[in-house]
Amino acid sequence: NAGVMQNPRHLVRRRGQEARLRCSPMKGHSHVYWYRQLPEEGLKFMVYLQKENIIDESGMPKERFSAEFPKEGPSILRIQQVVRGDSAAYFCASSPIGGRNNQPQHFGDGTRLSIL
Amino acid sequence: AQSVAQPEDQVNVAEGNPLTVKCTYSVSGNPYLFWYVQYPNRGLQFLLKYITGDNLVKGSYGFEAEFNKSQTSFHLKKPSALVSDSALYFCAVRDGGDDKIIFGKGTRLHILP
Repeated sequence: NAGVMQNPRHLVRRRGQEARLRCSPMKGHSHVYWYRQLPEEGLKFMVYLQKENIIDESGMPKERFSAEFPKEGPSILRIQQVVRGDSAAYFCASSPIGGRNNQPQHFGDGTRLSIL
Repeated sequence: AQSVAQPEDQVNVAEGNPLTVKCTYSVSGNPYLFWYVQYPNRGLQFLLKYITGDNLVKGSYGFEAEFNKSQTSFHLKKPSALVSDSALYFCAVRDGGDDKIIFGKGTRLHILP
């Protein structure tokens, strides 16, 4: 499967625990975007990363959330000390070159995070 | 700041009839516009984009969209709807000077058999 792979598809955590969401971009793609989707709402941009660099994190909450895209391995979205309001679907998208080149983003099927 | 509006939460169309899903946008620079479709429990799939050139853009599955600069709109259309077109549709915009894409809230399309 050459598409964007996200795992796990479903993740359940208790309040105060940590959530780690993984995203492997399409082969050959070096640009990754994370979005959050709340029920009956659109996608909210969180962060845009290139290999080993955060390009734009203007949509990421300042506390508890972090993202990385190491030289080797998947991109990770990490949420520390989760709260009920973090329950959402988190989508990762990738593109071969940067956003300003207008290549469409290819999306994974998302991770649905539920906080008990 | 850029923004995109989808004024209809839901659109119902009878199978075989033409469909339109509305989208308006606001950017400070040149707009780059996209339509995506989302099926249940899946990620978004790219349908079409407008960057420059002809105002009528053709995309996947028989969909097309018309860019109207004066009305700042980019409505999605299809001449004859199929039941399988039922899904959630998102319009998105990127301002020419920005990296990220901003998505609308989505419009749920129901095609009635």
